[in-house]
Amino acid sequence: GDSVTQMEGPVTLSEEAFLTINCTYTATGYPSLFWYVQYPGEGLQLLLKATKADDKGSNKGFEATYRKETTSFHLEKGSVQVSDSAVYFCALSRRFGNTGKLIFGQGTTLQVKP
Amino acid sequence: KAGVTQTPRYLIKTRGQQVTLSCSPISGHRSVSWYQQTPGQGLQFLFEYFSETQRNKGNFPGRFSGRQFSNSRSEMNVSTLELGDSALYLCASESGSSGGGTDTQYFGPGTRLTVL
Repeated sequence: GDSVTQMEGPVTLSEEAFLTINCTYTATGYPSLFWYVQYPGEGLQLLLKATKADDKGSNKGFEATYRKETTSFHLEKGSVQVSDSAVYFCALSRRFGNTGKLIFGQGTTLQVKP
Repeated sequence: KAGVTQTPRYLIKTRGQQVTLSCSPISGHRSVSWYQQTPGQGLQFLFEYFSETQRNKGNFPGRFSGRQFSNSRSEMNVSTLELGDSALYLCASESGSSGGGTDTQYFGPGTRLTVL
Protein backbone atom coordinates (compact mmCIF):
# COMPACT_ATOMS: atom_id res chain seq x y z
CA GLY A 1 0.00 0.00 0.00
CA ASP A 2 0.91 3.66 -0.15
CA SER A 3 3.33 4.92 2.48
CA VAL A 4 5.52 7.87 3.43
CA THR A 5 8.84 7.67 5.28
CA GLN A 6 10.49 10.63 6.94
CA MET A 7 13.87 10.97 8.57
CA GLU A 8 13.94 10.34 12.28
CA GLY A 9 14.03 13.31 14.59
CA PRO A 10 14.52 15.34 16.53
CA VAL A 11 16.60 17.59 14.32
CA THR A 12 18.42 20.25 16.32
CA LEU A 13 19.94 23.23 14.50
CA SER A 14 21.34 26.62 15.36
CA GLU A 15 19.60 29.70 14.05
CA GLU A 16 20.50 30.51 10.42
CA ALA A 17 21.60 26.94 9.70
CA PHE A 18 20.53 25.08 6.56
CA LEU A 19 17.67 22.62 6.97
CA THR A 20 16.94 19.40 5.12
CA ILE A 21 14.23 16.97 6.18
CA ASN A 22 14.15 13.86 4.01
CA CYS A 23 10.90 12.35 2.77
CA THR A 24 10.41 9.38 0.47
CA TYR A 25 7.17 7.78 -0.62
CA THR A 26 5.75 4.60 -2.05
CA ALA A 27 2.68 4.87 -4.23
CA THR A 28 1.42 3.70 -7.56
CA GLY A 29 0.43 6.28 -10.08
CA TYR A 30 0.99 9.98 -9.55
CA PRO A 31 0.24 11.18 -6.04
CA SER A 32 0.21 14.77 -4.90
CA LEU A 33 2.75 15.55 -2.20
CA PHE A 34 2.46 17.90 0.76
CA TRP A 35 4.38 19.26 3.71
CA TYR A 36 2.39 20.24 6.77
CA VAL A 37 3.70 21.85 9.95
CA GLN A 38 2.30 21.49 13.46
CA TYR A 39 3.15 23.97 16.20
CA PRO A 40 2.67 22.93 19.84
CA GLY A 41 -0.97 22.65 20.80
CA GLU A 42 -2.22 23.37 17.30
CA GLY A 43 -3.57 21.56 14.25
CA LEU A 44 -1.75 21.08 10.96
CA GLN A 45 -0.93 23.97 8.68
CA LEU A 46 -0.22 23.45 5.01
CA LEU A 47 3.34 24.54 4.29
CA LEU A 48 3.65 23.68 0.60
CA LYS A 49 2.56 21.19 -2.02
CA ALA A 50 3.43 19.76 -5.44
CA THR A 51 1.05 17.93 -7.69
CA LYS A 52 3.25 16.54 -10.45
CA ALA A 53 6.80 15.42 -11.12
CA ASP A 54 9.47 18.15 -11.10
CA ASP A 55 7.09 20.67 -9.52
CA LYS A 56 8.67 22.77 -6.80
CA GLY A 57 6.52 23.89 -3.91
CA SER A 58 7.66 26.88 -1.87
CA ASN A 59 6.41 29.00 1.01
CA LYS A 60 7.98 31.13 3.77
CA GLY A 61 11.50 30.24 2.61
CA PHE A 62 10.80 26.49 2.58
CA GLU A 63 11.10 24.53 -0.66
CA ALA A 64 10.55 20.95 -1.81
CA THR A 65 10.81 19.40 -5.28
CA TYR A 66 8.73 16.42 -6.42
CA ARG A 67 11.28 13.87 -7.66
CA LYS A 68 9.54 10.93 -9.25
CA GLU A 69 12.77 9.13 -10.22
CA THR A 70 13.84 8.96 -6.58
CA THR A 71 10.28 9.02 -5.11
CA SER A 72 11.32 11.86 -2.83
CA PHE A 73 10.03 15.23 -1.63
CA HIS A 74 12.74 16.58 0.67
CA LEU A 75 12.03 19.80 2.59
CA GLU A 76 14.74 22.49 2.63
CA LYS A 77 15.24 25.95 4.04
CA GLY A 78 18.33 28.03 3.64
CA SER A 79 18.31 29.75 7.03
CA VAL A 80 16.11 28.55 9.87
CA GLN A 81 14.75 30.71 12.68
CA VAL A 82 13.76 29.86 16.24
CA SER A 83 10.15 30.35 15.17
CA ASP A 84 10.50 27.39 12.75
CA SER A 85 10.65 25.00 15.70
CA ALA A 86 7.74 22.61 15.15
CA VAL A 87 6.85 19.13 13.90
CA TYR A 88 6.93 18.68 10.12
CA PHE A 89 4.84 16.07 8.33
CA CYS A 90 5.27 14.84 4.79
CA ALA A 91 2.10 13.46 3.20
CA LEU A 92 0.75 12.11 -0.05
CA SER A 93 -2.69 12.03 -1.53
CA ARG A 94 -3.74 9.76 -4.35
CA ARG A 95 -7.20 10.09 -5.70
CA PHE A 96 -9.43 7.16 -6.42
CA GLY A 97 -12.19 8.59 -8.51
CA ASN A 98 -13.24 11.67 -6.62
CA THR A 99 -12.09 10.66 -3.17
CA GLY A 100 -8.74 11.20 -1.60
CA LYS A 101 -7.14 10.78 1.78
CA LEU A 102 -3.83 11.95 3.15
CA ILE A 103 -1.22 9.40 4.13
CA PHE A 104 1.32 10.89 6.51
CA GLY A 105 4.87 10.18 7.49
CA GLN A 106 5.64 9.86 11.18
CA GLY A 107 6.67 13.49 11.55
CA THR A 108 10.04 15.10 12.22
CA THR A 109 10.55 17.41 15.17
CA LEU A 110 12.73 20.44 14.46
CA GLN A 111 14.33 22.39 17.29
CA VAL A 112 16.11 25.61 16.41
CA LYS A 113 18.35 27.12 19.09
CA PRO A 114 19.29 30.80 19.20
CA LYS B 1 -12.47 33.50 5.09
CA ALA B 2 -12.80 31.81 8.42
CA GLY B 3 -10.82 28.63 8.85
CA VAL B 4 -11.91 25.20 9.99
CA THR B 5 -13.38 25.22 13.47
CA GLN B 6 -13.69 22.28 15.84
CA THR B 7 -15.59 22.01 19.09
CA PRO B 8 -14.96 21.31 21.82
CA ARG B 9 -11.19 21.83 21.98
CA TYR B 10 -10.77 19.56 25.00
CA LEU B 11 -12.79 16.67 26.36
CA ILE B 12 -12.35 14.31 29.27
CA LYS B 13 -14.45 11.15 29.33
CA THR B 14 -14.38 7.82 31.13
CA ARG B 15 -14.23 4.36 29.62
CA GLY B 16 -17.54 3.13 28.26
CA GLN B 17 -18.95 6.57 27.59
CA GLN B 18 -19.60 7.97 24.17
CA VAL B 19 -18.51 11.29 22.69
CA THR B 20 -19.48 13.54 19.79
CA LEU B 21 -17.06 15.94 18.16
CA SER B 22 -18.04 18.70 15.78
CA CYS B 23 -16.33 20.28 12.77
CA SER B 24 -17.34 23.28 10.67
CA PRO B 25 -15.47 23.45 7.35
CA ILE B 26 -14.33 26.49 5.45
CA SER B 27 -17.27 28.24 3.83
CA GLY B 28 -17.98 26.70 0.42
CA HIS B 29 -16.04 23.52 1.12
CA ARG B 30 -18.08 20.36 0.71
CA SER B 31 -15.65 17.67 1.84
CA VAL B 32 -14.74 16.95 5.44
CA SER B 33 -12.20 14.35 6.53
CA TRP B 34 -11.35 13.17 10.04
CA TYR B 35 -7.96 12.00 11.31
CA GLN B 36 -6.77 10.58 14.61
CA GLN B 37 -3.34 11.61 15.90
CA THR B 38 -1.59 9.61 18.63
CA PRO B 39 2.08 9.45 19.66
CA GLY B 40 2.24 5.75 18.85
CA GLN B 41 0.33 5.52 15.57
CA GLY B 42 0.84 9.02 14.21
CA LEU B 43 -1.81 10.49 11.93
CA GLN B 44 -4.40 8.03 10.69
CA PHE B 45 -7.35 8.62 8.38
CA LEU B 46 -10.77 7.89 9.86
CA PHE B 47 -13.30 8.83 7.15
CA GLU B 48 -14.31 11.42 4.60
CA TYR B 49 -17.73 12.91 3.94
CA PHE B 50 -18.87 14.74 0.83
CA SER B 51 -22.37 16.07 0.28
CA GLU B 52 -23.67 14.19 3.32
CA THR B 53 -22.30 10.84 2.09
CA GLN B 54 -19.36 8.90 3.44
CA ARG B 55 -17.16 8.24 0.43
CA ASN B 56 -13.99 6.91 2.03
CA LYS B 57 -13.28 5.08 5.26
CA GLY B 58 -10.13 4.14 7.12
CA ASN B 59 -9.39 1.03 9.11
CA PHE B 60 -11.12 1.79 12.39
CA PRO B 61 -13.72 -0.25 14.29
CA GLY B 62 -17.42 0.42 13.96
CA ARG B 63 -17.40 2.34 17.25
CA PHE B 64 -16.15 5.26 15.20
CA SER B 65 -18.84 6.83 13.07
CA GLY B 66 -19.61 10.15 11.51
CA ARG B 67 -22.11 12.14 9.56
CA GLN B 68 -22.35 15.31 7.55
CA PHE B 69 -25.18 17.79 7.44
CA SER B 70 -26.57 19.72 4.50
CA ASN B 71 -24.51 22.80 5.51
CA SER B 72 -21.35 20.61 5.28
CA ARG B 73 -20.78 20.65 9.04
CA SER B 74 -19.70 17.25 10.26
CA GLU B 75 -19.77 15.30 13.49
CA MET B 76 -17.91 12.21 14.51
CA ASN B 77 -19.02 9.91 17.27
CA VAL B 78 -17.07 7.39 19.28
CA SER B 79 -19.11 4.95 21.34
CA THR B 80 -17.98 2.74 24.21
CA LEU B 81 -14.78 4.68 24.71
CA GLU B 82 -11.55 2.83 25.41
CA LEU B 83 -8.35 4.15 26.94
CA GLY B 84 -6.66 3.82 23.54
CA ASP B 85 -9.09 6.31 22.03
CA SER B 86 -7.26 9.12 23.81
CA ALA B 87 -5.94 11.22 20.95
CA LEU B 88 -6.06 14.49 19.08
CA TYR B 89 -8.88 14.31 16.54
CA LEU B 90 -8.34 16.53 13.55
CA CYS B 91 -10.87 17.61 10.99
CA ALA B 92 -9.83 18.70 7.49
CA SER B 93 -11.83 20.69 4.99
CA GLU B 94 -11.48 20.46 1.22
CA SER B 95 -13.40 22.16 -1.55
CA GLY B 96 -14.25 18.82 -3.12
CA SER B 97 -14.77 20.43 -6.48
CA SER B 98 -11.85 18.76 -8.24
CA GLY B 99 -12.79 15.95 -10.55
CA GLY B 100 -9.41 14.53 -11.44
CA GLY B 101 -6.87 16.62 -9.54
CA THR B 102 -6.14 16.71 -5.85
CA ASP B 103 -7.54 19.44 -3.69
CA THR B 104 -5.73 20.65 -0.61
CA GLN B 105 -7.00 19.73 2.83
CA TYR B 106 -7.04 22.47 5.47
CA PHE B 107 -7.00 21.40 9.07
CA GLY B 108 -8.74 22.65 12.17
CA PRO B 109 -7.04 23.00 15.58
CA GLY B 110 -8.28 19.60 16.72
CA THR B 111 -10.17 18.22 19.69
CA ARG B 112 -8.02 16.71 22.43
CA LEU B 113 -9.89 13.70 23.86
CA THR B 114 -8.70 12.11 27.07
CA VAL B 115 -10.28 8.84 28.19
CA LEU B 116 -9.82 7.95 31.85
